[in-house]
Amino acid sequence: AQKVTQAQTEISVVEKEDVTLDCVYETRDTTYYLFWYKQPPSGELVFLIRRNSFDEQNEISGRYSWNFQKSTSSFNFTITASQVVDSAVYFCALSGFMDSNYQLIWGAGTKLIIKP
Amino acid sequence: ETGVTQSPTHLIKTRGQQVTLRCSSQSGHNTVSWYQQALGQGPQFIFQYYREEENGRGNFPPRFSGLQFPNYSSELNVNALELDDSALYLCASGWSRIHYEQYFGPGTRLTVT
Repeated sequence: AQKVTQAQTEISVVEKEDVTLDCVYETRDTTYYLFWYKQPPSGELVFLIRRNSFDEQNEISGRYSWNFQKSTSSFNFTITASQVVDSAVYFCALSGFMDSNYQLIWGAGTKLIIKP
Repeated sequence: ETGVTQSPTHLIKTRGQQVTLRCSSQSGHNTVSWYQQALGQGPQFIFQYYREEENGRGNFPPRFSGLQFPNYSSELNVNALELDDSALYLCASGWSRIHYEQYFGPGTRLTVT
């Protein structure tokens, strides 16, 4: 099966707290890519990161960091010192073979609310 | 560099009607994908075009069809609209195929009554 699960429907934290968004995936492919996108209230999805299945190095970009663990099929996203502008819905996605072609398979998203 | 644009922003149609949504890709991109996003859900892949040919399709009926033009702009056509077609329709452009990041437009909110 090709599937992405974001078990956290909604998370609410106070500004400056750290927060981790979970992503668990299932795939039968040996080569695949994982993505995180941000969808602010305006609706436009914004690309955050792409990771291929052979690169398990964690990545840090400013206040954002990603932890990819193939052993647990997880690709978690942490925001350090959260800010109100981080409030958005965050999607994890997997490139996989489904319905006879390669496509992006998306999780249901996690709504992140940062309170001032 | 111009980003991905979509038109119209909002649209209200009646069940049974037909609708055409438009997308202008980001300069330099050669693929365009269309997604349907129902309220509170993740996007669902409709299809992708690469160099004017359909390059993959999700689990959507044939009444969802598309075109990609030589300038890489694109259209999504939906015939015989149903109430369940009410959603945000997102267009995304990129390079090569789906393994690379895509850049999304702001979407068209379609309401079918």
